[in-house]
Amino acid sequence: ETGVTQTPRHLVMGMTNKKSLKCEQHLGHNAMYWYKQSAKKPLELMFVYSLEERVENNSVPSRFSPECPNSSHLFLHLHTLQPEDSALYLCASSQGTSMDTQYFGPGTRLTVL
Amino acid sequence: KNEVEQSPQNLTAQEGEFITINCSYSVGISALHWLQQHPGGGIVSLFMLSSGKKKHGRLIATINIQEKHSSLHITASHPRDSAVYICAVRRWRDDKIIFGKGTRLHILP
Repeated sequence: ETGVTQTPRHLVMGMTNKKSLKCEQHLGHNAMYWYKQSAKKPLELMFVYSLEERVENNSVPSRFSPECPNSSHLFLHLHTLQPEDSALYLCASSQGTSMDTQYFGPGTRLTVL
Repeated sequence: KNEVEQSPQNLTAQEGEFITINCSYSVGISALHWLQQHPGGGIVSLFMLSSGKKKHGRLIATINIQEKHSSLHITASHPRDSAVYICAVRRWRDDKIIFGKGTRLHILP
């Protein structure tokens, strides 16, 4: 399998649930990203990992917890989410942190009830 | 007001038409990007510009740094070009990426 994959593609969860989103890249890149895309709002960069270390955290609530165990895998752990957190969550990877070389995954569409 | 504004928000055109999507920004930037998002969510990076003009197939992107404006043009548009086109800039002062809200393009056969 090639490129950037995300699982699950769709997720419905209650506000008290704990779930995790997974991203895997097969491109040999050393940087990975989480983005949030809400309806009628611009894309928001949430987290950036470079060489498995978090290098950017854009004021994201603590109910979102990223984890990058190695350069190929990125997780977003979710707990006690709010309905307004319902959105498309996109993962991307790149060689270095330059946006022009980012490759995006298909996204996970999250609905919080 | 968002620091990156795109126009139009929605655009419907007939197959074969010449398409122009505009992006204006109000901050100093080091680079501007055009992205394409297909139905279902997948995003493809189309161009990265810091000056001038770039062309790839039927797509042309231009930037005017003095006017803080960029355009994305599609020649001989086709239904498969239907997507959301997103403009993003990398802000000079802190390297933060700021996205526009996107332009939803629908090309009719």
